[in-house]
Amino acid sequence: DQQVKQNSPSLSVQEGRISILNCDYTNSMFDYFLWYKKYPAEGPTFLISISSIKDKNEDGRFTVFLNKSAKHLSLHIVPSQPGDSAVYFCAAPDRTGANNLFFGTGTRLTVIP
Amino acid sequence: ETGVTQSPTHLIKTRGQQVTLRCSSQSGHNTVSWYQQALGQGPQFIFQYYREEENGRGNFPPRFSGLQFPNYSSELNVNALELDDSALYLCASRPDRAADTQYFGPGTRLTVL
Repeated sequence: DQQVKQNSPSLSVQEGRISILNCDYTNSMFDYFLWYKKYPAEGPTFLISISSIKDKNEDGRFTVFLNKSAKHLSLHIVPSQPGDSAVYFCAAPDRTGANNLFFGTGTRLTVIP
Repeated sequence: ETGVTQSPTHLIKTRGQQVTLRCSSQSGHNTVSWYQQALGQGPQFIFQYYREEENGRGNFPPRFSGLQFPNYSSELNVNALELDDSALYLCASRPDRAADTQYFGPGTRLTVL
């Protein structure tokens, strides 16, 4: 059972515009969420996170929004740059287990120059 | 401070063989987790080691086993390889079990023929 879902496999955005990547989760016990970015031939790199006690966290061009009632979070990238082209994963730690991460299936973002 | 490294980068094995993948965690990180990423999927948790002992396991059979050494290195061993074991294998380290952010290596691409 996929507890973290990313329903959009891909997204294309023009350079300079906003990119919005979405993530849904089913487990209401999740209390922390992370976004990772993955380039080909590299491991996932941590991008930004948010605690469930907040509804927004901002870091430069990246902002994550959390809607707990909808069990939905989104990552906004403004303005999008060609170097942002990568696969983005949302993830949540499993507090009932080894604090390992549940990952979504990823969204491939392509920023068109 | 060095990052997480993995070896080899690529590996080709045949069904039924055994394989050992290696990971070197960041210095001072006493917790290492291994993930399997199949094509088009997000990483899936295999198991975690904390201070050289397994302390969490995902839904993987016993033919997936591991070791962690005092020098921050670790191994993932897979016996009796099956075609479905073909995937990218990622290791991730963190300072301790409570830390939410995991730092990933570049992965080992395993192909089973």
